[in-house]
This record gives sequence, C-alpha cells and structure tokens, in this order.
Amino acid sequence: TQLLEQSPQFLSIQEGENLTVYCNSSSVFSSLQWYRQEPGEGPVLLVTVVTGGEVKKLKRLTFQFGDARKDSSLHITAAQTGDTGLYLCAGLQGAQKLVFGQGTRLTINP
Amino acid sequence: GAVVSQHPSRVICKSGTSVKIECRSLDFQATTMFWYRQFPKKSLMLMATSNEGSKATYEQGVEKDKFLINHASLTLSTLTVTSAHPEDSSFYICSASSGSSSYEQYFGPGTRLTVT
Repeated sequence: TQLLEQSPQFLSIQEGENLTVYCNSSSVFSSLQWYRQEPGEGPVLLVTVVTGGEVKKLKRLTFQFGDARKDSSLHITAAQTGDTGLYLCAGLQGAQKLVFGQGTRLTINP
Repeated sequence: GAVVSQHPSRVICKSGTSVKIECRSLDFQATTMFWYRQFPKKSLMLMATSNEGSKATYEQGVEKDKFLINHASLTLSTLTVTSAHPEDSSFYICSASSGSSSYEQYFGPGTRLTVT
C-alpha cells in the first residue's frame, strides 16, 4: 500500500497569516485530491490535481502537485477563522482506491 | 449535484446486536461505493469497495462476515455491522463514484455508531 505523509499534523496560527500543508509519498500517484472535513461530517472535496507540476487556485487556497506526482502542497493565504478544520490529502492507488494521509488539523485563531 | 446521503446519522446499539447503515447517491448512479471507518482524530481507513451487483472487496484485516456490505442497486449500498461490540464504535463514512471519472468520489456525511 502506498503511504501518504502529511505535515504538520497540527497547526494553530493567527487569522491573517499564511500557511502551507504538505503531503508527501515515495510512490507516484495518478492523481491526488485534497479534502476538508468538519467534525461529525464527511470529507468535502476541494480539488483534484492530475498533472505533474499542476497548480490550482481556489480563492485563497493554492494547490500544487509535484513534478514527479509524489507530493503535493496546500497553501492558504491570509487565513480566516472559517478555514479551521481537518485537511486531508488522498492519492489514487490503482483505478479506484483512495489512500488518505493522516490529516492536518488546522486551527485559525481570531 | 453529486450528493451522497447516509442514514442514520447517529445510532446507538447494544453489544451483540446488528445495525445497518445505508448509503445513497441522490442524483447520480454509483457504479462503485466505498466504505470507510474513521477513529477520533484519525484519518479515513478504507474498509471495502463494492460494485453494483457483485461481492464487495474487503481490505486486509477487515472481517467480511462481521461487516456485511450489499450494493444491490446503483443508488444504494448498505453496511451491516453484525454482533456489534464496543470496539466497533466509530464514525463510518461511505463514498460513491459514478465511474465516469475514476478519481471522483463523493462522500456521505457519515454515521456515528456507538455500541454500549
């Protein structure tokens, strides 16, 4: 099973600051997804990256897929308290199976 | 679009009983559904993959006789936890894929199971 390592696992910063979450693997993934999960709810898909080197932006969130398709990052600019949540990366293994990272629990303090 | 529902959202059952969780794709046909388990403050662990009309494929370490999965239609999959024990208490989440794009899975809101 391919493994995904997320870092940091916990991050607490002040509103307005920038942050980056990393998702790394020694294996190549055909695609990688980022999710956000609120307590007691299912994960909500934020973005899917497919091409090595791809960069996607979603308002203040910037997602990048590594050139070798082994790693990805999520950068949030000017964090807001509403960004608080659990962020999960997941790589596609084979045709259908998603392998999830451990998650990054992000807390944005007012 | 791409809405997945789960029922119930919370369930409490006594040790030794069985409980069924439903996962429905509301606005698309799900050729494949996935069942995950999530422990508190942990990530999602895939339990099994089910394709409509065929037997589910279980991940290593998941007891197929304990976690019965049925995917009888293109919009419904069920997970039955049989002879539940307190250690089965967890957050169970399903996802569904239409198969049109292999990497698109849509997740349900989850079911909190507590076994007393």
